[in-house]
Amino acid sequence: AQSVTQLGSHVSVSEGALVLLRCNYSSSVPPYLFWYVQYPNQGLQLLLKYTSAATLVKGINGFEAEFKKSETSFHLTKPSAHMSDAAEYFCAVSVSGSARQLTFGSGTQLTVLP
Amino acid sequence: ETGVTQTPRHLVMGMTNKKSLKCEQHLGHNAMYWYKQSAKKPLELMFVYNFKEQTENNSVPSRFSPECPNSSHLFLHLHTLQPEDSALYLCASSRGSGTSGTTDTQYFGPGTRLTVL
Repeated sequence: AQSVTQLGSHVSVSEGALVLLRCNYSSSVPPYLFWYVQYPNQGLQLLLKYTSAATLVKGINGFEAEFKKSETSFHLTKPSAHMSDAAEYFCAVSVSGSARQLTFGSGTQLTVLP
Repeated sequence: ETGVTQTPRHLVMGMTNKKSLKCEQHLGHNAMYWYKQSAKKPLELMFVYNFKEQTENNSVPSRFSPECPNSSHLFLHLHTLQPEDSALYLCASSRGSGTSGTTDTQYFGPGTRLTVL
């Protein structure tokens, strides 16, 4: 079985500061990993995904994430936060052979302070 | 219209009502999903359809009844709901087939905010 843990249900950063959202996964087989963003009153939008190619994955809106097998982590980063980045972010894992199912973390609410 | 659409966006119903949620995808996908998103809880997968056939039912109460008439449309029929069923219901779609090793990224609709009184 797979699982995802997102450390910190709420993260606040100042505009222009580094954004770091943490995600650790548990999987008995090589995982596929995803980050989704949810803006208020909207559905989830895919930011980026790891599919066993390059370990550093670049996504939309300047976000990127690095897959670290030794640490079972897939943290999301952005060098400089914008006010428009304020949203809820979800990490998710899917395992090979059952690609239709995603297991989601509990989410991290990002607040960007002026 | 593109992507995944859901109607209605907001729904208020009594416990004795019967209502339906509709999802439509314009992506040419073959797999569709219903998720429940409650406050302070992870997204819960409810149902999965692949090529119109239900492949997953994650122990969802029978007061929720899905219907997938074709690969582009997915319904969730609701009857005699409870207040704890109030949540955001999200629909998603993906290419489908689930071939081992594929990523099969899911694309989400905006959701229906359901309130049960």
